Amino acid sequence: QVQLQESGPGLVKPSETLSLTCSVPEASFSGYYWSWIRQPPGRSLEWIGYIYYTGSTSYNPSLKSRVAMSVDTSKSQFSLALNSVTAADTAVYYCAGAPNENFFDFWGQGTLVTVSS
Amino acid sequence: DIQMTQSPSSVSASVGDRVTLTCRASQNIGNWLAWYQLKPGKAPRLLIYSASTLLNSGVPSRFSGSGFGTDFTLTISSLQPEDFATYFCQQAKSFPRTFGQGTRVEIK
Repeated sequence: QVQLQESGPGLVKPSETLSLTCSVPEASFSGYYWSWIRQPPGRSLEWIGYIYYTGSTSYNPSLKSRVAMSVDTSKSQFSLALNSVTAADTAVYYCAGAPNENFFDFWGQGTLVTVSS
Repeated sequence: DIQMTQSPSSVSASVGDRVTLTCRASQNIGNWLAWYQLKPGKAPRLLIYSASTLLNSGVPSRFSGSGFGTDFTLTISSLQPEDFATYFCQQAKSFPRTFGQGTRVEIK
């Protein structure tokens, strides 16, 4: 089972940019779709978007204007940037991967990001 | 967006019980459905994809999925202590990918 690890600040101020990175075992990076998914407290899961290892992306239209994803193949990492955050962006953020763009075969443990001043 | 509705929102059951969870899609999604298990502080786990295919990496055979179109079920044939968790369905018919609100399986 591929193990992913999210990293980044646990506290972000309103109107600032939330930035997270997911580290992937090097042997598993190429050929996969890498996604970000979040779960606000007491709510369901929300797909934020994915980035293919080549750099092509697909974002949730509800967040598209504020989201950017990137890959660093040299480090086997991919990243999420969500700008202009509000309290509504407080959530556990998960990174996930799969060999296709349909399902999410493996996940990180998630990291709680709180938006608060 | 395709809306996914799960029922019940929670279920109380005992070890050894047979448990059936339901997921309904707001439109026909064929067999483009997956089930995930979530436990606090742990990485979510894909159990079943394409509605009925068990992930070939250690998912116990007591888990099974069925359904096509709009109505789907996840069945745990004999509930084990490690199965107490929250289960989510997810559609992959169209973008954006969407999830149900989850069913929490609790100890009776």
